[in-house]
Amino acid sequence: QTVVTQEPSLTVSPGGTVTLTCASSTGPVTSAFHANWFQQKPGQTPWALIYSTTNRHSWTPARFSGSLLGGKAALTLSGVQPEDEADYYCLFYYGGAQGMIFGGGTKLTVL
Amino acid sequence: QITLKESGPALVEPTQTLTLTCTFSGFSLSTSGVGVGWIRQPPGKALDWLTVIYWDDDKRFSPSLKSRLTITKDTSRNQVVLTMTNMDPVDTGTYYCGHWTLSDGLDVWGQGTRVTVSS
Repeated sequence: QTVVTQEPSLTVSPGGTVTLTCASSTGPVTSAFHANWFQQKPGQTPWALIYSTTNRHSWTPARFSGSLLGGKAALTLSGVQPEDEADYYCLFYYGGAQGMIFGGGTKLTVL
Repeated sequence: QITLKESGPALVEPTQTLTLTCTFSGFSLSTSGVGVGWIRQPPGKALDWLTVIYWDDDKRFSPSLKSRLTITKDTSRNQVVLTMTNMDPVDTGTYYCGHWTLSDGLDVWGQGTRVTVSS
């Protein structure tokens, strides 16, 4: 069974930069996975941030950027704000019979 | 403006079948490339992708839940219906539907509906 792995937790200082990653148990992540990234704050619906690996939605602040890094999908937050404290999830598109799979989420603490 | 809203029972008994409806506006499920997906989230746990139905009636399912899931669409009513059989307390959680295209991803979500499985 395919598994998507994220860092369980990360801590960053306000104004700092942090990179979250998502790995696939099937091997290196490529653009064909169409990685999506989502932010979820407690008690709220997830909020789409990034699609197709690198593209920001019109509502996504410029401090969020997506990329491929070392065979993984990556979400980098630059100039972190206190309000960026949240859970972050990636979603990979596998096509075929597998459909799509979420990562286990990263709890980002801004401290 | 794309919106989606989930509806269905808040409480189901173990072994029963859950039926949830996603009613949407702002797009057509007959447009090429468009899909509507379902995602769930147990309390305090991670998001879990369940299924998607596409404009051409193609469907994909989570391999671990495939035997329990059915997804259908009613394009004229702008609705997608999810059924999940043999419900268990571990299926308790918030169920979301979302608008999906390969080009823009899972960009818009419904507000979610909470489902508790208990006798």
